[in-house]
Amino acid sequence: DTAVSQTPKYLVTQMGNDKSIKCEQNLGHDTMYWYKQDSKKFLKIMFSYNNKELIINETVPNRFSPKSPDKAHLNLHINSLELGDSAVYFCASSQVGWGPHNEQFFGPGTRLTVL
Amino acid sequence: AQTVTQSQPEMSVQEAETVTLSCTYDTSESDYYLFWYKQPPSRQMILVIRQEAYKQQNATENRFSVNFQKAAKSFSLKISDSQLGDAAMYFCAYRSATGNTPLVFGKGTRLSVIA
Repeated sequence: DTAVSQTPKYLVTQMGNDKSIKCEQNLGHDTMYWYKQDSKKFLKIMFSYNNKELIINETVPNRFSPKSPDKAHLNLHINSLELGDSAVYFCASSQVGWGPHNEQFFGPGTRLTVL
Repeated sequence: AQTVTQSQPEMSVQEAETVTLSCTYDTSESDYYLFWYKQPPSRQMILVIRQEAYKQQNATENRFSVNFQKAAKSFSLKISDSQLGDAAMYFCAYRSATGNTPLVFGKGTRLSVIA
């Protein structure tokens, strides 16, 4: 029973293409996140959704558009892919509430390679 | 904005020995949480240990323990009796206690374990 799943795990595509990464969580959490891990392994938040509503949008190019059809899903669509978009993208989820126990559960990551 | 600094890009330890990974952070908040995540070659993000800032007692989880110095804004991870399976990237992370905020990560420390 995978808590946070992402598809695909690997994605190789050409510059200029449009691609999507899907994320699903079966934990009943109401907050989901997208993080980007660059080639130097640095992890940084991109977006955060709470109950399908965008609450955090870091400085990310407009070519990146998250979509949350329901609480359990948060997809990431990327238009006009560029070489610099090559990275590992992690989805995560957590439950709203005060306290450290609303820890974030991470998906397995999607390695995107743009040629 | 909060920042997390890991000053050791790489560390190595002999099997069965003890190693300490350093982390410092900068924040003006008084309530927050600190985490250490492990990322093995499989790239899965695994929570190793967490610390609540309001707790003076250092967290421990089996062979993993932290040295939390709130005034110094320091949060080091000690791994005792190192095992080959401990070899991985280790990330220190900060999260505000207010709301369901995303994690702020350090740049990571790559730990090698020598047999």
